[in-house]
Amino acid sequence: QSALTQPPSASGSPGQSVTISCTGTSSDVGAYNYVSWYQQHPGKAPKLMIYEVSKRPSGVPDRFSGSKSGNTASLTVSGLQAEDEADYYCTSYTGSNNLVFGGGTKLTVL
Amino acid sequence: QLQLVESGGGLVKPGGSLRLSCAASGFTFSDYYMSWIRQAPGKGLEWVSYISSSGSTMGYADSVKGRFTISRDNAKNSLYLQMNSLRAEDTALYYCATDRGAVVGDYFDSWGQGTLVTVSS
Repeated sequence: QSALTQPPSASGSPGQSVTISCTGTSSDVGAYNYVSWYQQHPGKAPKLMIYEVSKRPSGVPDRFSGSKSGNTASLTVSGLQAEDEADYYCTSYTGSNNLVFGGGTKLTVL
Repeated sequence: QLQLVESGGGLVKPGGSLRLSCAASGFTFSDYYMSWIRQAPGKGLEWVSYISSSGSTMGYADSVKGRFTISRDNAKNSLYLQMNSLRAEDTALYYCATDRGAVVGDYFDSWGQGTLVTVSS
């Protein structure tokens, strides 16, 4: 199972919006609404930000939103803040009790 | 407060074995599916294995199938990963995580801090 494709980097200025894409295939992202997104700061464990494409766990700011179109899922961070600077990973269920992660995107707040 | 604490990592030679543990507290461990996820130094995340809440069902990534075995002891609130025939490419920080939702890997909502495994001669 190949990793989902994410851009290596993304950036934006404070207050701006940034969208990170996560491209899979019709066998994973396109087939299931089980896409989740994780934020990871350096030296820290990943943190769940979005699950099942667009659901936000309690405690996650509503500046974070998720969507999906066809084989591509997206994470949008609105009103960028300095603390949003981190690595972001997507993951998708692929069927048969299996899943795949994206390669990760480093978000820089300029 | 839900807490996951991994242990058991270390330096091992290629071909060697290691057993990782994950101690859970602050929640009803026996109700939760669990997964191991790893991260090679400077690299991305890779799902490794899952186990059902009862321990009756498990699954593995192709990269570890036949070499790694996941297990749990609900009486001890503990999750394990037995790693055999270790290779250099298994070098990584290994996280345990609660595996929630409708399907395996739907989402991981709690993570430990990880235990480092280094495979080198």
